[in-house]
Amino acid sequence: EPEVTQTPSHQVTQMGQEVILRCVPISNHLYFYWYRQILGQKVEFLVSFYNNEISEKSEIFDDQFSVERPDGSNFTLKIRSTKLEDSAMYFCASSPHSTGNQPQHFGDGTRLSIL
Amino acid sequence: GNSVTQMEGPVTLSEEAFLTINCTYTATGYPSLFWYVQYPGEGLQLLLKATKADDKGSNKGFEATYRKETTSFHLEKGSVQVSDSAVYFCALSDQNNFNKFYFGSGTKLNVKP
Repeated sequence: EPEVTQTPSHQVTQMGQEVILRCVPISNHLYFYWYRQILGQKVEFLVSFYNNEISEKSEIFDDQFSVERPDGSNFTLKIRSTKLEDSAMYFCASSPHSTGNQPQHFGDGTRLSIL
Repeated sequence: GNSVTQMEGPVTLSEEAFLTINCTYTATGYPSLFWYVQYPGEGLQLLLKATKADDKGSNKGFEATYRKETTSFHLEKGSVQVSDSAVYFCALSDQNNFNKFYFGSGTKLNVKP
């Protein structure tokens, strides 16, 4: 069964540095998402992306964050000037259609640790 | 607005016990409801879903019924196994806003042999 893959599985970065989290969505999917899960807390929506542009973003997704689909397969989340509170598990998801009653398919996540 | 509330964990059961994890929701439209499971060290996997009132989603012995009158989607399993130990997340997708899921806080289930 096709999967969403995320790399790296664990990223350790110094505070203030830039980090790029990478995702390869399922190949025929059109909608892409990033979520964040701070340890012990809810999974929180960050951003959705369709047709090469952001379709929705949460209040968490400020100017520090950006997303890009640089080629036909990758979907990246960039965090500029990381802060301690950015430490979390970041999940990428994709879906073939605008969700409605369709599930989103999630990757295994990237654990980001900011030192 | 939209939100999902789950019972707090951890829930600890013996093997073959009956499981219920409560989930209630608030939604502005007509949501679809989902349960996802997260096994240790892994991502979120879809467990089951229900897209309209009175639908029952089922998979791997787990069931949940979409109850509009009580705005609930409780997860049940008649006989849990050690391998069911995981974190379970209830989620909704609002059909007025197709672009994101709203998740509950997750309920950790520990099943002892």
